Amino acid sequence: AQRVTQPEKLLSVFKGAPVELKCNYSYSGSPELFWYVQYSRQRLQLLLRHISRESIKGFTADLNKGETSFHLKKPFAQEEDSAMYYCALSFNNAGNMLTFGGGTRLMVKP
Amino acid sequence: DTGVSQNPRHKITKRGQNVTFRCDPISEHNRLYWYRQTLGQGPEFLTYFQNEAQLEKSRLLSDRFSAERPKGSFSTLEIQRTEQGDSAMYLCASSSRGRSYGYTFGSGTRLTVV
Repeated sequence: AQRVTQPEKLLSVFKGAPVELKCNYSYSGSPELFWYVQYSRQRLQLLLRHISRESIKGFTADLNKGETSFHLKKPFAQEEDSAMYYCALSFNNAGNMLTFGGGTRLMVKP
Repeated sequence: DTGVSQNPRHKITKRGQNVTFRCDPISEHNRLYWYRQTLGQGPEFLTYFQNEAQLEKSRLLSDRFSAERPKGSFSTLEIQRTEQGDSAMYLCASSSRGRSYGYTFGSGTRLTVV
């Protein structure tokens, strides 16, 4: 069965410091991975997807199939990055159902 | 139509009562999903519709739970004989595209069973 693990429940950094939110997955098929973000009092929204290899709000994530990881990185954290971040794996080719990790709360201190 | 709409936002019910939630997806989206999120956890998949057809159901969806999407538009999720363990945020999401694309989520319905 598929599984997504986010080992850190809370990550606290100072403004301007680098950020890495860890995500590891287990899945026997071809993985499709996503990062979702939830800012305070807002709905869950898509941040980025591995297939597009894009940078959104300065965040990037690289799929490492050897290490089965999809860590989210940003070189210089901003206070507005404070939010809950969820890593998700698409586990069904036809239906695109997602398995989510437990989430990491990122706090960026001034 | 600016997004996925869920009603009500909050629902408090007594144990044993039935509750029904509604989700209105983005109008051009043919895929609709229900997820459940409990405190400190990520969302967990419940069920999936493509148009009006319910194509997948999680083992989490016990026989007390039923979901419909008549005419492939809005969807309802009903929980019969609610239990305290049903207390959670119920999230709806919709999508019009394939596996490589993400969803648009609604704000959720928070259910509290007392």
